[in-house]
Amino acid sequence: AQSVTQLGSHVSVSEGALVLLRCNYSSSVPPYLFWYVQYPNQGLQLLLKYTSAATLVKGINGFEAEFKKSETSFHLTKPSAHMSDAAEYFCAVSEQRGADGLTFGKGTHLIIQP
Amino acid sequence: GAVVSQHPSRVICKSGTSVKIECRSLDFQATTMFWYRQFPKKSLMLMATSNEGSKATYEQGVEKDKFLINHASLTLSTLTVTSAHPEDSSFYICSAREDGGGFTQYFGPGTRLTVL
Repeated sequence: AQSVTQLGSHVSVSEGALVLLRCNYSSSVPPYLFWYVQYPNQGLQLLLKYTSAATLVKGINGFEAEFKKSETSFHLTKPSAHMSDAAEYFCAVSEQRGADGLTFGKGTHLIIQP
Repeated sequence: GAVVSQHPSRVICKSGTSVKIECRSLDFQATTMFWYRQFPKKSLMLMATSNEGSKATYEQGVEKDKFLINHASLTLSTLTVTSAHPEDSSFYICSAREDGGGFTQYFGPGTRLTVL
């Protein structure tokens, strides 16, 4: 069975600083990996996805993530944080090319300090 | 982009009553939809997979008789919480996978259920 671990339930960075949100996964087959963002009392918005093509994936709002099979990681980064990036971020894995329900990590709350 | 709506956005009901939540794909067809439950400050937990024209598949530990799912058309799935109790209070989120659109799931805005 697949699983996702997000290190750090809360991450605080200064505006303009690098954002790094960590995600490690466990999967018995080559996984499909996703990052979603959730703003308060809203649903989830897809930031980016890895689907066995390029290991460096670029998403919306300046975010990107790199798939590292040897480290079973899919960390999310953004070079320069903006106040509007403050939200909850979820990493998710699918073992059936997205045909199955996703398994989510516990989420990381990103706080942006002015 | 693909849009998924949910109705109602929030509902308050008395203990023992039933509540129906609708999930609609507005601009695409979705043979498969998913229902998730999100507890406060917790992650999303998959409850069930909804398939148009067939019975839903429930995850282990989810009571199918309590959480009734009906996927009557290619754009609509409903979740009915029967005989609701305060412990059923939660944020329910659906997602839809576009037919022929690959593997991306598009999520609805969620429904906040409060059972008094």
